[in-house]
Amino acid sequence: EAGVVQSPRYKIIEKKQPVAFWCNPISGHNTLYWYLQNLGQGPELLIRYENEEAVDDSQLPKDRFSAERLKGVDSTLKIQPAELGDSAVYLCASSFGGAGNTGELFFGEGSRLTVL
Amino acid sequence: LAKTTQPISMDSYEGQEVNITCSHNNIATNDYITWYQQFPSQGPRFIIQGYKTKVTNEVASLFIPADRKSSTLSLPRVSLSDTAVYYCLVGIYNQGGKLIFGQGTELSVKP
Repeated sequence: EAGVVQSPRYKIIEKKQPVAFWCNPISGHNTLYWYLQNLGQGPELLIRYENEEAVDDSQLPKDRFSAERLKGVDSTLKIQPAELGDSAVYLCASSFGGAGNTGELFFGEGSRLTVL
Repeated sequence: LAKTTQPISMDSYEGQEVNITCSHNNIATNDYITWYQQFPSQGPRFIIQGYKTKVTNEVASLFIPADRKSSTLSLPRVSLSDTAVYYCLVGIYNQGGKLIFGQGTELSVKP
């Protein structure tokens, strides 16, 4: 079974440019998460979706970050404009919310962003 | 959410048993303890989860004392491939997405 797929794996952009990351969760997982991970730190939640609804976006910097999960499957995270401090790894995760849910998160490999 | 404290780094040698202890003094009655492992350039991966006493799977064991204010992840006979960062998280059983990742413990296994 395929895991969580993210693209691109690496992205280098100039500051003030836009960037977008894409995530395809595990089939059947209704909950999708975007995390940000700085070097040497643990992942920090940016936004959580239950199906197509963003149920927790309190940590998402809404002035420059946006996310969408159309049809409750794939999701896109966008930054516009990017700043130097946005250089980090952006992780997508999904989980199964039905009966037997243990809360286990399945993470993708991440998208590493470098802003110059 | 319960705050967790774990060592920032640990060193070990191949073949040794490694025990990583996590302190969570304000754990709530409904909270479970979950450990994730993260290799460089990969996302974290679920290792083990428990509520009390001992849990064992094919990868690790988790020891939780009666007061549940701490827990110990035990990795038997580590190999070089166990070099990774290990995160201890505490929270409600089926609400993994609400768990807060700390800084984790960077385990370095040497030959």
